[in-house]
Amino acid sequence: GENVEQHPSTLSVQEGDSAVIKCTYSDSASNYFPWYKQELGKGPQLIIDIRSNVGEKKDQRIAVTLNKTAKHFSLHITETQPEDSAVYFCAATSYSSASKIIFGSGTRLSIRP
Amino acid sequence: GAVVSQHPSRVICKSGTSVKIECRSLDFQATTMFWYRQFPKQSLMLMATSNEGSKATYEQGVEKDKFLINHASLTLSTLTVASAHPEDSSFYICSALPGGPREQYFGPGTRLTVT
Repeated sequence: GENVEQHPSTLSVQEGDSAVIKCTYSDSASNYFPWYKQELGKGPQLIIDIRSNVGEKKDQRIAVTLNKTAKHFSLHITETQPEDSAVYFCAATSYSSASKIIFGSGTRLSIRP
Repeated sequence: GAVVSQHPSRVICKSGTSVKIECRSLDFQATTMFWYRQFPKQSLMLMATSNEGSKATYEQGVEKDKFLINHASLTLSTLTVASAHPEDSSFYICSALPGGPREQYFGPGTRLTVT
């Protein structure tokens, strides 16, 4: 089955700087890679996603890149703000897996003022 | 955007009692819903896949007789924790999958505390 690894587990950056979170996946059949932001005591919220037919996607300060050959995908947050502080999860799934999402272990991002 | 609700948001129960958690898709029909459990500072672990009108599919290691799932309609799935024990205390989160797109929409979670 699919296995998703995520690094780092914790990340602290100065407000205004960029943050990068990296993930790898094992199943070459995975073709959909969502990223979620989870605030304390709440459910995860989709912030951006990428499909396997695309190498990069950007939405304002957030971008995601995908390297299918290396089975790597990354989240980039630029111009970080205090409200970006949260736990971020990468995930992978495929149509053939009945859309079961496999989550990474999470990254706790802290933005220093 | 698509909204998924859960009820209750928090529940405290005594050991040995059963607790029911509801998951509703408010503005779309969900042919499939998923139930996750999340322990403090850990990731979400899939417990089971719930398909409307059929039996749920449980992940390995999840006791189907303890975590009873009913997906009675296209907008409602329920998770019943039978004879709950303190080790069942956790954050339970559901998600719903519309028939078309592959994005899953997550509920706000239910914090279960068993005393």
